[in-house]
Amino acid sequence: ETGVTQTPRHLVMGMTNKKSLKCEQHLGHNAMYWYKQSAKKPLELMFVYNFKEQTENNSVPSRFSPECPNSSHLFLHLHTLQPEDSALYLCASSQDRIPSSYEQYFGPGTRLTVT
Amino acid sequence: AQSVTQLGSHVSVSEGALVLLRCNYSSSVPPYLFWYVQYPNQGLQLLLKYTTGATLVKGINGFEAEFKKSETSFHLTKPSAHMSDAAEYFCAVSDSMQGGSEKLVFGKGMKLTVNP
Repeated sequence: ETGVTQTPRHLVMGMTNKKSLKCEQHLGHNAMYWYKQSAKKPLELMFVYNFKEQTENNSVPSRFSPECPNSSHLFLHLHTLQPEDSALYLCASSQDRIPSSYEQYFGPGTRLTVT
Repeated sequence: AQSVTQLGSHVSVSEGALVLLRCNYSSSVPPYLFWYVQYPNQGLQLLLKYTTGATLVKGINGFEAEFKKSETSFHLTKPSAHMSDAAEYFCAVSDSMQGGSEKLVFGKGMKLTVNP
């Protein structure tokens, strides 16, 4: 595997389910990100990790819970989601967090549908 | 806080025609500027970026963009469109946050269709 991988690619879950999204980067980067991509809206930064430490939480509801066990892996744990949480969830990584001139490498995303 | 404006959501060109995708940002302080491309069912891929130095930046697949401070613009161009250029294009700008942190602010994106 190369670059940034995400699993699963598609996920359908009910509002009472608990599921997790997984991201893995094979680039030796130190920073990892979760973004939410909704139709006709700008990409929304959700969480940032640098050297496994969470450095940002952009006012994301607590039903989204990130986890970064090491610099290569990032998870997004989901529980009691709402239909408006349906979106494409993108993971990205970069060499470091700052400066932001470092290129971010994106995974293919997980298409989440909440029913 | 920075904002990015990509007017419209969809542009259609003929194969071989000029591609022009507009991007304006809000800050008077020159930020870092990026163009990303997203092909169907894929994540975003960097096309090009401006950090410092030459204001005309060349990227992959024949794309280039010019940073114009006076116009707070970073428009993306390609002289001759190819069918494979059909994708969604995102302009992004760096934004400084409290505590010395930084993040990327993305525009809403522009879907490019190339007609044969």
